[in-house]
Amino acid sequence: AQKVTQAQTEISVVEKEDVTLDCVYETRDTTYYLFWYKQPPSGELVFLIRRNSFDEQNEISGRYSWNFQKSTSSFNFTITASQVVDSAVYFCALSESSGANSKLTFGKGITLSVRP
Amino acid sequence: DAGITQSPRHKVTETGTPVTLRCHQTENHRYMYWYRQDPGHGLRLIHYSYGVKDTDKGEVSDGYSVSRSKTEDFLLTLESATSSQTSVYFCAIRTSGIYTDTQYFGPGTRLTVL
Repeated sequence: AQKVTQAQTEISVVEKEDVTLDCVYETRDTTYYLFWYKQPPSGELVFLIRRNSFDEQNEISGRYSWNFQKSTSSFNFTITASQVVDSAVYFCALSESSGANSKLTFGKGITLSVRP
Repeated sequence: DAGITQSPRHKVTETGTPVTLRCHQTENHRYMYWYRQDPGHGLRLIHYSYGVKDTDKGEVSDGYSVSRSKTEDFLLTLESATSSQTSVYFCAIRTSGIYTDTQYFGPGTRLTVL
């Protein structure tokens, strides 16, 4: 069975600090898909990024970067120069297939607070 | 914006009453999902649908039923609500694409069962 562990539950940083959110996953499949979602205080769930298991290229998008490492089953998310608007709950999720039975398994989320 | 709406957005009900939550999408996606979000548990899948009249159970399906009679609507029913079903309920659609499919979520429904 697939499993996602977000060991950090709450992180508090001061604005402009860099922060890394950890995600470790378990799966028996060789092909799988990893996701990060953001849930700001307003409550909606916002898709941030998807990574396929066969594509280990790391990605940078503005202040956000993602580090996917198959060897350690990790998919970590770094925010550079954090801002107050980054305050949210961040969820890592895993899907083992892209067919009809594709289902997302979520971690329990990390609450990030960015203080001015 | 994936064109997903949920209704109602907030509901307070009493134990033992039936409740139906509606998820509506405007983009003709085949796959739809219902999750519940509770503190300390993240999001957990209740039921999902892979087409009109095609549904299956998720990990926390007890006490819930679903129906999908049209592509655009996916209904979640609590036949007899209990306090343990107090939660925030999210609907999601999944876009198609072999290596690009992604779930996008509706705004959520906050349900309180007294």
